[in-house]
Amino acid sequence: DAGVIQSPRHEVTEMGQEVTLRCKPISGHDYLFWYRQTMMRGLELLIYFNNNVPIDDSGMPEDRFSAKMPNASFSTLKIQPSEPRDSAVYFCASATSRGSRGNTIYFGEGSWLTVV
Amino acid sequence: DQQVKQNSPSLSVQEGRISILNCDYTNSMFDYFLWYKKYPAEGPTFLISISSIKDKNEDGRFTVFLNKSAKHLSLHIVPSQPGDSAVYFCAASGGENYGQNFVFGPGTRLSVLP
Repeated sequence: DAGVIQSPRHEVTEMGQEVTLRCKPISGHDYLFWYRQTMMRGLELLIYFNNNVPIDDSGMPEDRFSAKMPNASFSTLKIQPSEPRDSAVYFCASATSRGSRGNTIYFGEGSWLTVV
Repeated sequence: DQQVKQNSPSLSVQEGRISILNCDYTNSMFDYFLWYKKYPAEGPTFLISISSIKDKNEDGRFTVFLNKSAKHLSLHIVPSQPGDSAVYFCAASGGENYGQNFVFGPGTRLSVLP
């Protein structure tokens, strides 16, 4: 399996621009998570989906952030307009609810976002 | 309000010695705990897990201990190797509000010195 695939790996953009991060989860996984890693807060959950439906978006910082999952194999995280404080590494992860309780989640390699 | 805490931001250990990484949690509904390891420029990778019905789980050089009454878990690495140098995240899940969601701690950076 190719694992969780994220793009772009690196993005440098100017403040005010729209940023779109993309994620392809592991085939067959029915949970998809977006995390953000910062020095101050570590790994914080932004939003997660189950069967393409957003379940909890309470971690989304502001209305500038939005996430979609139009189908089981694709999700986007959009920031519009972007601000320098959005600079971080954004991780997508997926998991399956099948099998024994407490399955692990699998992370992509992350998208490094710098807003200047 | 962090529900999963790793109070040591960093830890240095000599090669061959034991590394002990600690994690505390506040939500008594958590019933499944995991440790992830993260190298620079890579995503976190799963290391070891433990269910709340156990107090110990071992996998090779890695052992996780769970003390439910203290809401504390620890990861022991014996013997430590330079390749173990990474950031280690503790994570927890469970209960009605979390289900398949995983709450991560801020991480501990382990440096194993040759």
